[in-house]
Amino acid sequence: DQQVKQNSPSLSVQEGRISILNCDYTNSMFDYFLWYKKYPAEGPTFLISISSIKDKNEDGRFTVFLNKSAKHLSLHIVPSQPGDSAVYFCAASASDSNYQLIWGAGTKLIIKP
Amino acid sequence: NAGVTQTPKFQVLKTGQSMTLQCAQDMNHEYMSWYRQDPGMGLRLIHYSVGAGITDQGEVPNGYNVSRSTTEDFPLRLLSAAPSQTSVYFCASSSSGSSYNEQFFGPGTRLTVL
Repeated sequence: DQQVKQNSPSLSVQEGRISILNCDYTNSMFDYFLWYKKYPAEGPTFLISISSIKDKNEDGRFTVFLNKSAKHLSLHIVPSQPGDSAVYFCAASASDSNYQLIWGAGTKLIIKP
Repeated sequence: NAGVTQTPKFQVLKTGQSMTLQCAQDMNHEYMSWYRQDPGMGLRLIHYSVGAGITDQGEVPNGYNVSRSTTEDFPLRLLSAAPSQTSVYFCASSSSGSSYNEQFFGPGTRLTVL
């Protein structure tokens, strides 16, 4: 039973447009959410995070939105660039679970020229 | 800084063989962990360590052993390899176990068990 779901295995977006990656979760105890980015043959690298006390966090071209009532978060990339082509993982943790991360299966983002 | 290094990059084993996946970090991080990634699934935590001499089980610990004798090294041992352990293994480290602290990942070891 997956507690963190990324329902789109892949997403194709035109360069310069907005990329929106979605993530749903089922555990209401999750209070911290992270996005990691992964290139082929490399390990994941941290991208951006958000605490449950916020509904938005921005870092340059990347913005994460959290909708706690819907148990949904999304990552917006504006504008999308060729170097953004990668697999994006959503992860969540609860402060009462030794901060262990629960990961989604990932979404492969392809930026088309 | 080399960050987190893992060896080997690729390994093929026969069922029943044992081996050790190596992981080292040079960032003086207290927290280290091992994950496995399987197709269509997120990373799953195998074992983790909050400091030298301290280890604990994650979500999927069966068939794996770990030890942490130094801050730098966190090897993962497969005792008797099974085809179900075919996966990509990632080692990670962070300054603490809190998810508020960024985890740094190694490049992974792709393991195939025949």
